[in-house]
Amino acid sequence: SAVISQKPSRDICQRGTSLTIQCQVDSQVTMMFWYRQQPGQSLTLIATANQGSEATYESGFVIDKFPISRPNLTFSTLTVSNMSPEDSSIYLCSVYQGNGYTFGSGTRLTVV
Amino acid sequence: DQQVKQNSPSLSVQEGRISILNCDYTNSMFDYFLWYKKYPAEGPTFLISISSIKDKNEDGRFTVFLNKSAKHLSLHIVPSQPGDSAVYFCAARAMDSNYQLIWGAGTKLIIKP
Repeated sequence: SAVISQKPSRDICQRGTSLTIQCQVDSQVTMMFWYRQQPGQSLTLIATANQGSEATYESGFVIDKFPISRPNLTFSTLTVSNMSPEDSSIYLCSVYQGNGYTFGSGTRLTVV
Repeated sequence: DQQVKQNSPSLSVQEGRISILNCDYTNSMFDYFLWYKKYPAEGPTFLISISSIKDKNEDGRFTVFLNKSAKHLSLHIVPSQPGDSAVYFCAARAMDSNYQLIWGAGTKLIIKP
């Protein structure tokens, strides 16, 4: 299965600023997903980022707040823009290959 | 509307005994179910899955049971080991869902020595 390197692992950010999270995959994958996990809650899908097309956002998430880039089959970024304390969460990238889903190690974001 | 529910936020089990984690779902279009384990500061790691055409899948100490009529699945861990202490997530995928997973809220399993 794919191995994903996700950076940064954690960050503390000032409100109103932006943070870009990167995921590098060790193999080419078409399907990539970005999730948010708020404290004590399940993983919530933010968007599906397939290479060669615009990211598809789930209800409650918009491109202006969570812009995503997917320049090639091994890399993607998620930006959390104009942050507020409510954005404090763990953010995870995931890829799907025929043998299943693999996750990055997550980015723990705290907005102060 | 929670389509996948894990009603037990936590579960404590004696080492060596059986751990049973439960998951209920509401969407009859789900046809594939997965269990993931998550340690703090790590991403979820895949444990075991089951297709809706089966009612049981076994992999070593882990067995998943699916009861489609009850829309219920469970993960059995036998025997439980200290390293099994983690948060366990149930996830489901519907047909024609573009491979998107719907997740439960997780159950924190604590294995007592």
